[in-house]
Amino acid sequence: EVQLVESGGGLVKPGGSLRLSCAASRFTFSYYTMNWVRQAPGKGLEWVSSISGSSNSIYYADSVKGRFTISRDNAKDSLYLQMDSLRAEDTAVYYCARVGDYGDYDPRQGIDYWGQGALVTVSS
Amino acid sequence: DVVMTQSPLSLPVTLGQPASISCRSSQSLVSSDGNTYLSWFLQRPGQSPRRLIYKVSNRHSGVPGRFSGSGSGTDFTLKISRVEAEDVGVYYCMQATHWPPFTFGQGTKLEIK
Repeated sequence: EVQLVESGGGLVKPGGSLRLSCAASRFTFSYYTMNWVRQAPGKGLEWVSSISGSSNSIYYADSVKGRFTISRDNAKDSLYLQMDSLRAEDTAVYYCARVGDYGDYDPRQGIDYWGQGALVTVSS
Repeated sequence: DVVMTQSPLSLPVTLGQPASISCRSSQSLVSSDGNTYLSWFLQRPGQSPRRLIYKVSNRHSGVPGRFSGSGSGTDFTLKISRVEAEDVGVYYCMQATHWPPFTFGQGTKLEIK
């Protein structure tokens, strides 16, 4: 089955930076749109960012625009999230999530698989 | 952005009994291609979400037949015909029709009475 494994979470001070990674396996990574979705402690799910298979289409939630950068390396089957100017309200578990669009860029197909998540804590 | 509203937010159910969760959207989820991109996810305690249903009523691979989805336009329902212990967790609906962004309901916590 599809496997998505996040890494890079940790404790960072307000204003600091952190880079999350997501290693994908058991599917053809380059064919799929990938996303980051976060969940603050005890709260619901919030979409953060999305990147098409070719990296030509990239979108961000307003809450992170200008501070976070999504990228991917299809040769390494990896997804990344560079998080700068972090704030306390960015504290959350960050999930790597695949859209089931298989080679045909169509995010409307929605998320079909999730990673196990990486905890990011922003605190002084 | 489309607002997704779930009810109830808490759902105590007796084992073996049915359960039903409602999800309403602030605008129609019918896409220009005629499809409706509404999904349901279950997040078990301490786990990541997993997809149950996509495009309103299609079960994800491996999802038991006791789960079913229905609805149209702005009004959707997830039903569990007979609740089992492994169904405990938080259920979320998500729309993808009016993307970006993907938007989720607040979540419905199902627990066993």
